[in-house]
Amino acid sequence: EDKVVQSPLSLVVHEGDTVTLNCSYEVTNFRSLLWYKQEKKAPTFLFMLTSSGIEKKSGRLSSILDKKELFSILNITATQTGDSAVYLCAVCVGTASKLTFGTGTRLQVTL
Amino acid sequence: DGGITQSPKYLFRKEGQNVTLSCEQNLNHDAMYWYRQDPGQGLRLIYYSQIVNDFQKGDIAEGYSVSREKKESFPLTVTSAQKNPTAFYLCASSDNRAYGYTFGSGTRLTVV
Repeated sequence: EDKVVQSPLSLVVHEGDTVTLNCSYEVTNFRSLLWYKQEKKAPTFLFMLTSSGIEKKSGRLSSILDKKELFSILNITATQTGDSAVYLCAVCVGTASKLTFGTGTRLQVTL
Repeated sequence: DGGITQSPKYLFRKEGQNVTLSCEQNLNHDAMYWYRQDPGQGLRLIYYSQIVNDFQKGDIAEGYSVSREKKESFPLTVTSAQKNPTAFYLCASSDNRAYGYTFGSGTRLTVV
């Protein structure tokens, strides 16, 4: 059974802090790993990672994948209150492009 | 603009009634998916379809049914056999390439 585990489950930080969110996985027929941000409704896409060791960056967010250790991290620097959300990690498996999701990390950024 | 439309956004039903959630896409994607999300949990796959007139069960298909008569449409029926239907339902589509996964805005179903 495919499994994706995220940690921590929840996190409260002060504005300006840097946070690291973790995602480990055990799946068959790995295609890619994706990070999403979910505020109230549908998840919004952040990153897709397919190759080990190549950092993807978008503004204050960055992510990297380790396919040997089956692990990914999402970093957010200089956090802002607008970063408060649930961050979901998902692994795309097989030719049907099914996504297996972790339970998410709930991030709260306070003033 | 291309995208996925789910309707309605909010739905209330009495226990024991079947209800159908709509999902329409104009992205020309072959594959479509239904996910369920419960509070504090990630998304779980209910059903998926890679091509018209074909669909497969996901991890939690019991109590649900789908059809895929048109490429653009993938409706989900929540039947009375589903024990805990109250949840947030998300539809998605994919072009099955490296990335092409698009989510709808979701339907929040409450069964009273």
